[in-house]
Amino acid sequence: DADVTQTPRNRITKTGKRIMLECSQTKGHDRMYWYRQDPGLGLRLIYYSFDVKDINKGEISDGYSVSRQAQAKFSLSLESAIPNQTALYFCATSPSGTHNEQFFGPGTRLTVL
Amino acid sequence: AQKVTQAQTEISVVEKEDVTLDCVYETRDTTYYLFWYKQPPSGELVFLIRRNSFDEQNEISGRYSWNFQKSTSSFNFTITASQVVDSAVYFCALSEASTGYALNFGKGTSLLVTP
Repeated sequence: DADVTQTPRNRITKTGKRIMLECSQTKGHDRMYWYRQDPGLGLRLIYYSFDVKDINKGEISDGYSVSRQAQAKFSLSLESAIPNQTALYFCATSPSGTHNEQFFGPGTRLTVL
Repeated sequence: AQKVTQAQTEISVVEKEDVTLDCVYETRDTTYYLFWYKQPPSGELVFLIRRNSFDEQNEISGRYSWNFQKSTSSFNFTITASQVVDSAVYFCALSEASTGYALNFGKGTSLLVTP
């Protein structure tokens, strides 16, 4: 079984809809991250969390919110989806400590019409 | 401002050629880490290497090698005797304490290896 899972893997939605992307991990890591990938732009950080009570905004948090329901779960919400949020979304985890390797989920491809 | 610059957007080589992917970074931290990830056409992100700012030794892993030079703020990646399976997008990334050790990615270099 995969250590970092994301659901759904693909989603098509309409402008204005609320949508939640979920991430779960079995690695026992404290740190979790959400990134989005756009063609030609690399990956950009949306939010990150060091533990259940510690959530921080990343470079492009506007239009997004997150919830760390448990150590193993980190959800990303789009309250009112818009077309320019069409992208590939990745969740990642890493252990505590400094500068550790991040382990990525398989990604969620989101299309907002 | 872009902290990690991968100037080569796309590279195309013929199988068995050597290819170097460039990465230039910018940071004020004295302690930082650099990473390379591979994203094959299937889309997943595959970790290749992590290097800390105090270790300037070059590293070799099979056909892959990395050249870290603090003097030029570069962390270049060379594939020797490239193969078709090396075709992917390669990302260089920087980790700094000031951003919660999140990865600051370059825009990636798309490598196409043709037979």
